[in-house]
Amino acid sequence: SQQGEEDPQALSIQEGENATMNCSYKTSINNLQWYRQNSGRGLVHLILIRSNEREKHSGRLRVTLDTSKKSSSLLITASRAADTASYFCAPIEDSGYSTLTFGKGTMLLVSP
Amino acid sequence: DGGITQSPKYLFRKEGQNVTLSCEQNLNHDAMYWYRQDPGQGLRLIYYSQIVNDFQKGDIAEGYSVSREKKESFPLTVTSAQKNPTAFYLCASSIFMFEVSGYIGNQPQHFGDGTRLSIL
Repeated sequence: SQQGEEDPQALSIQEGENATMNCSYKTSINNLQWYRQNSGRGLVHLILIRSNEREKHSGRLRVTLDTSKKSSSLLITASRAADTASYFCAPIEDSGYSTLTFGKGTMLLVSP
Repeated sequence: DGGITQSPKYLFRKEGQNVTLSCEQNLNHDAMYWYRQDPGQGLRLIYYSQIVNDFQKGDIAEGYSVSREKKESFPLTVTSAQKNPTAFYLCASSIFMFEVSGYIGNQPQHFGDGTRLSIL
């Protein structure tokens, strides 16, 4: 399994602003998954984007994938205080079954 | 409601003591996983199991043991050999693989709310 590296490590914005976080990885992937973790809780799956997809939407979330640059981005539009959490990406290798490996994540703080 | 239940939420261990963390799921998932999370860090895989009576070591299995006697249950024992056990432990489960229109891939994982283990 390979680890994604999220950037920035921390992001602080005001409610209503957009938040963008990025993920880079090293080898070819089957899919890439984004998760959210609220403080002291387990991770929650947000969105899965396949290697043959370039963009995917879910509510206020928009994920893009650029396999040529080995990178993905997660955009949260019109942020709310409830979006305050850590966000992790998990690139899944294109080599059969692969476990998930998580980096340190991006800690997002949305202030009222 | 379907989900994953971890217990207890907080656990304290004395020096030289083994402790067992419980993880139960009613999602009918084949695969289950144990992760460790240290403050400000990502998750590291301890053990995983793709099927009953079978499990594999993850990246940091030393000092830990697991069993998978039932599909619903995947308990983790933190042994006295684990010298730095203080951490947040997360259990997860998933469908092993999925196939949709010829696309095969890993399903997303569903997580419990964790057990926080501390040393007395």
